[in-house]
Amino acid sequence: SYELTQPPSVSVSPGQTARITCSGDALPKKYAYWYQQKSGQAPVLVIYEDNKRPSGIPERFSGSSSGAMATLTISGAQVEDEADYYCYSTDTSGNHWVFGGGTKLTVI
Amino acid sequence: EVQLVESGGDLIQPGGSLRLSCAASGLTVSTNYMSWVRQAPGKGLEWVSLIQSGGRTYHADSVKGRFTISRDNSKNTVYLQMHSLRAEDTAVYYCARSRPASTGASQPYYFDLWGQGTLVTVSS
Repeated sequence: SYELTQPPSVSVSPGQTARITCSGDALPKKYAYWYQQKSGQAPVLVIYEDNKRPSGIPERFSGSSSGAMATLTISGAQVEDEADYYCYSTDTSGNHWVFGGGTKLTVI
Repeated sequence: EVQLVESGGDLIQPGGSLRLSCAASGLTVSTNYMSWVRQAPGKGLEWVSLIQSGGRTYHADSVKGRFTISRDNSKNTVYLQMHSLRAEDTAVYYCARSRPASTGASQPYYFDLWGQGTLVTVSS
């Protein structure tokens, strides 16, 4: 079965840049999406189609994709950005839609 | 305000059945793609089922043959009928509006609006 691989955790100080990666064999041809999930809450879409930001999402959130890796970048991370972040995409067939295992971002 | 409200979660014995509901307001389920996504306690997210606006449905391999997604247009509600429940089905089940990508027929549908979830616990 297809898998998207994320680091379990990333830690930065407030104001620093946080980068969360997502690797998957199909990413060169498939869009990556990113979701933020704070404790006890539903996920929120923060990046779609590799690098597009939904309305209402702060400009410090950006996305990129190169080869088999997609990256979520939070420029000037804030304490309120502490959350679990999940990438999402599909395999080469387009028929299996999967989430990465999630990355816990700590901002301290 | 656009809102999705799930209900129907419960404690159910292994092998049992349960139906979850997702009542929509501010959007029309019959003209949108709608999905169920679940999250086991302390674990990650897993897409479960999707229904297209035209009525075509898709299910993850892990639930195929046991779960069925449907909708009632008159009630503006989406359902997830679950049969032969297993301990590994224990999770918070989220209803979500799904969107196709802007380009590319084989790109994934994604989820841009989520409900708050309903908890299903499968245990004896």
